[in-house]
Amino acid sequence: SQTIHQWPATLVQPVGSPLSLECTVEGTSNPNLYWYRQAAGRGLQLLFYSVGIGQISSEVPQNLSASRPQDRQFILSSKKLLLSDSGFYLCAWSLGQGNGYTFGSGTRLTVV
Amino acid sequence: QKEVEQNSGPLSVPEGAIASLNCTYSDRVSQSFFWYRQYSGKSPELIMSIYSNGDKEDGRFTAQLNKASQYVSLLIRDSQPSDSATYLCAVNTNDMRFGAGTRLTVKP
Repeated sequence: SQTIHQWPATLVQPVGSPLSLECTVEGTSNPNLYWYRQAAGRGLQLLFYSVGIGQISSEVPQNLSASRPQDRQFILSSKKLLLSDSGFYLCAWSLGQGNGYTFGSGTRLTVV
Repeated sequence: QKEVEQNSGPLSVPEGAIASLNCTYSDRVSQSFFWYRQYSGKSPELIMSIYSNGDKEDGRFTAQLNKASQYVSLLIRDSQPSDSATYLCAVNTNDMRFGAGTRLTVKP
């Protein structure tokens, strides 16, 4: 069966510090991968998605970036965090358009 | 106009009642529709998918789709306190768009 791993679960970082969140999927090949952010009491905002290695599409311009160095690995990064980057970051995978998404357990990021 | 709209709630129902959650979407060409359940502090979990007009039942859950009215709903029969969560409606056209969610509370 397929599983998705996301870490760390919680993170407290100072403003201006770098960020690296990692997500890996097991049990499938060539999944579509997604990064979402959920602000407190808000809906899910799509940040990045990837349909293959090295292929990244960005939904919103901001100080975050994403990379997919391996088929089942998706990384979210920032060189300098802002207070507004605080939120619940979720990685998800799917088998393609029309299929539901499976989410990782999420990373709760607090920028102080 | 938001792409996917849901009443934010909170929706409160007594235990054993039917909870009715509603969602409208703006893109007429959307073909895939989903309901996710999100417990407080946790990640969303896919509970229902529906692709054609009509009803789809899975246990205590029934998803209803009306493409002409651009309307999706989720019915939860025999609601239990463990159903208390935020329910997210999602519509997939080129990518998945989520509503902000409806918070459901089932009171014992």
